[in-house]
Amino acid sequence: DGGITQSPKYLFRKEGQNVTLSCEQNLNHDAMYWYRQDPGQGLRLIYYSQIVNDFQKGDIAEGYSVSREKKESFPLTVTSAQKNPTAFYLCASSRGPWVDTQYFGPGTRLTVL
Amino acid sequence: GENVEQHPSTLSVQEGDSAVIKCTYSDSASNYFPWYKQELGKRPQLIIDIRSNVGEKKDQRIAVTLNKTAKHFSLHITETQPEDSAVYFCAASTNTGNQFYFGTGTSLTVIP
Repeated sequence: DGGITQSPKYLFRKEGQNVTLSCEQNLNHDAMYWYRQDPGQGLRLIYYSQIVNDFQKGDIAEGYSVSREKKESFPLTVTSAQKNPTAFYLCASSRGPWVDTQYFGPGTRLTVL
Repeated sequence: GENVEQHPSTLSVQEGDSAVIKCTYSDSASNYFPWYKQELGKRPQLIIDIRSNVGEKKDQRIAVTLNKTAKHFSLHITETQPEDSAVYFCAASTNTGNQFYFGTGTSLTVIP
């Protein structure tokens, strides 16, 4: 898990602003994921990507966007369309779609002011 | 889609006692069941996992059991220690979607 980094650790956003959360991995993993964590609700999948230049919506994709231009990077943009963005955001990666173990980054805590 | 339910939501045990956390799942095609431990403000870390061709797996003080017929699996922690205090999440996934469906977590407190 030391091979997955997220930045920043804390992020504050004003209403109406878009913000981008960074996720980088040096594990040579093909698949990457973004989760949102709220108290008492576990982890919910926002987007995932199984290969470069391809990504799929998860259960709560509305108000978020992603890109996967490089294998190592999977940034998440929280847009102004996301009505309740304050949460803890976790990025994860796994070797490929046939291997299920996911390893998590340290997370970004986003707060909307 | 898959639905994973986890119980209890909170659990307190005396140091040295055992702790058991149970999860049920709905999709009979699910075939991989990991357990993650998350300390406050930190990332979830995999502690043990089991695949559907195995009924039980053990790693020192932790074990996981799987009942495919009943569609439930459980985490067992023996000889609990204060450092076991954390939130534990179960998950279930299938080969086809490579998506994890997480339980809502169990906050375990080990009282010294």
